[in-house]
Amino acid sequence: GAGVSQTPSNKVTEKGKYVELRCDPISGHTALYWYRQSLGQGPEFLIYFQGTGAADDSGLPNDRFFAVRPEGSVSTLKIQRTERGDSAVYLCASSPRGGQGGTGELFFGEGSRLTVL
Amino acid sequence: AQSVAQPEDQVNVAEGNPLTVKCTYSVSGNPYLFWYVQYPNRGLQFLLKYITGDNLVKGSYGFEAEFNKSQTSFHLKKPSALVSDSALYFCAVRAFTGTASKLTFGTGTRLQVTL
Repeated sequence: GAGVSQTPSNKVTEKGKYVELRCDPISGHTALYWYRQSLGQGPEFLIYFQGTGAADDSGLPNDRFFAVRPEGSVSTLKIQRTERGDSAVYLCASSPRGGQGGTGELFFGEGSRLTVL
Repeated sequence: AQSVAQPEDQVNVAEGNPLTVKCTYSVSGNPYLFWYVQYPNRGLQFLLKYITGDNLVKGSYGFEAEFNKSQTSFHLKKPSALVSDSALYFCAVRAFTGTASKLTFGTGTRLQVTL
């Protein structure tokens, strides 16, 4: 597709369960970002990939959160032992280039809304 | 550390009047600055950016923003507001130098344009 695609658009789960959220970036974009947006807040940075490697994972809140991008395209955000406080919209964005060579404009998907009961 | 402040939770303006949405930032070194808009149930959409050069940058849908280095501000403006401009607006910053690539966003300002 032409834009960033995220699935599922909505996910309801129970406390303690495991969740995977998928992001398919714009074709050819080497940089990929995950953000989390809670109600009434701005997007909060989680992790940034340049190619297959996580260049900056400083925003991951704890070790229950993990993300991969094995082939440098699709990325999966994984959340173990979900808690009610994990409820938020998880946004994925991609960019043609990251790091110092990139001008920082990000293209966002519509997000995956996670609700933990 | 980099940060963004959007001091107004909501801005109300009548259609046809000029609008301003305020943003101030803090970053080490020179900044890249951005404005994004979020419509209900939609993803964030890029409006405009300042990298270098002219302090007044023009973007999509008739919006513009003015970079003021001495006041560390990057206010979003439009000469004549439309009802369809009603949405949530986010300012964002990243450092110009270094390997850091992440954007840091403000908490957002809801723009309400009425007839």
